Amino acid sequence: AQSVAQPEDQVNVAEGNPLTVKCTYSVSGNPYLFWYVQYPNRGLQFLLKYITGDNLVKGSYGFEAEFNKSQTSFHLKKPSALVSDSALYFCAVGANDYKLSFGAGTTVTVRA
Amino acid sequence: SQTIHQWPATLVQPVGSPLSLECTVEGTSNPNLYWYRQAAGRGLQLLFYSVGIGQISSEVPQNLSASRPQDRQFILSSKKLLLSDSGFYLCAWRASWRDNEQFFGPGTRLTVL
Repeated sequence: AQSVAQPEDQVNVAEGNPLTVKCTYSVSGNPYLFWYVQYPNRGLQFLLKYITGDNLVKGSYGFEAEFNKSQTSFHLKKPSALVSDSALYFCAVGANDYKLSFGAGTTVTVRA
Repeated sequence: SQTIHQWPATLVQPVGSPLSLECTVEGTSNPNLYWYRQAAGRGLQLLFYSVGIGQISSEVPQNLSASRPQDRQFILSSKKLLLSDSGFYLCAWRASWRDNEQFFGPGTRLTVL
């Protein structure tokens, strides 16, 4: 079985401050890890993925994530948040790359 | 480039009526296709996925069914809708070779009254 936990329902930060969205996972074998963002009434947009290789993954819109195998975590980060980053963020994991389990999502609010 | 379409964008249906949601992908061949449901703007529940024409895997037993009559067409159906079928339905595709992410369509907002 595979699962994802996003422990924070909401994250609030001021514009210009660092943003972190937490994700921990459980999967048998090597994980396939993904982050997506969703704006209201829209489909999910792919941000970044970890399959293998460097633990620090860089993605779209200045986001990055760090894979930590010992802590089974894949936290999403952005050094300087923008108001336009306000959205719903999903972490997803799979034991393979064709069937994923998604977390419950974290709502990010960036205040001006 | 590849694009994914879903229609309709919104749908209001009475309880007990049938349902047909359509998803099509352009610009790729032999994609893996997925149907998800998202309730109350939160987590996604995988309903069905397909690795080829006529090949459907069901993840959650329920009032819905899926079909893939053509390589790039994926249809979600129900014979009789329930109130609990309300939600935001998302179709997604991914390239069938290794290490690829899923790409999502714009979604269909279904309200069952």
